Amino acid sequence: GENVEQHPSTLSVQEGDSAVIKCTYSDSASNYFPWYKQELGKRPQLIIDIRSNVGEKKDQRIAVTLNKTAKHFSLHITETQPEDSAVYFCAASKNNAGNMLTFGGGTRLMVKP
Amino acid sequence: DAGVIQSPRHEVTEMGQEVTLRCKPISGHNSLFWYRQTMMRGLELLIYFNNNVPIDDSGMPEDRFSAKMPNASFSTLKIQPSEPRDSAVYFCASRLTPSKEQYFGPGTRLTVT
Repeated sequence: GENVEQHPSTLSVQEGDSAVIKCTYSDSASNYFPWYKQELGKRPQLIIDIRSNVGEKKDQRIAVTLNKTAKHFSLHITETQPEDSAVYFCAASKNNAGNMLTFGGGTRLMVKP
Repeated sequence: DAGVIQSPRHEVTEMGQEVTLRCKPISGHNSLFWYRQTMMRGLELLIYFNNNVPIDDSGMPEDRFSAKMPNASFSTLKIQPSEPRDSAVYFCASRLTPSKEQYFGPGTRLTVT
């Protein structure tokens, strides 16, 4: 089955700096890669996703890049703010309908004011 | 829209007891997912339904776990008998195809003593 590795497990940055979280996946058939943000005690919420036919996608301060050849994808957050502090999960799915999500282990991001 | 509703929000039970977790998906959504979240294993997909039909239950850990979806607006996850290692946060999520975004409920924190 699919295996998703996520690094780092914790990340601390100063407010205003950039943060990068990286994930690798094992199944070359995977074609959908979402990122979820989970604040303390809350539910995971989708923040951005990318499909295998696209190499990069951006939404304001958040961007995701995908390298299918290397089987890795990354989340980039620029101009970080304290409210960006949360646990971020990457996931991968090889079903075009996005049903079978395999999640990475999560990254706890702390943005220091 | 009330979002995905889960009950109870917290459950404390003794080992050996039966536990039933409930989920009401977002109205109109046709896919439903049950996840388990622990510190050790992260977010794991247990089972998912499409149009009330179980599609893949390969993530269900043991025969002690069972899930049903008798209609489009209700699903249950049952553990019988419960064990301390079942302690986790159980999330339900729903989705409306063809969108890939899964909307998570607030979760049920289960503690088995």
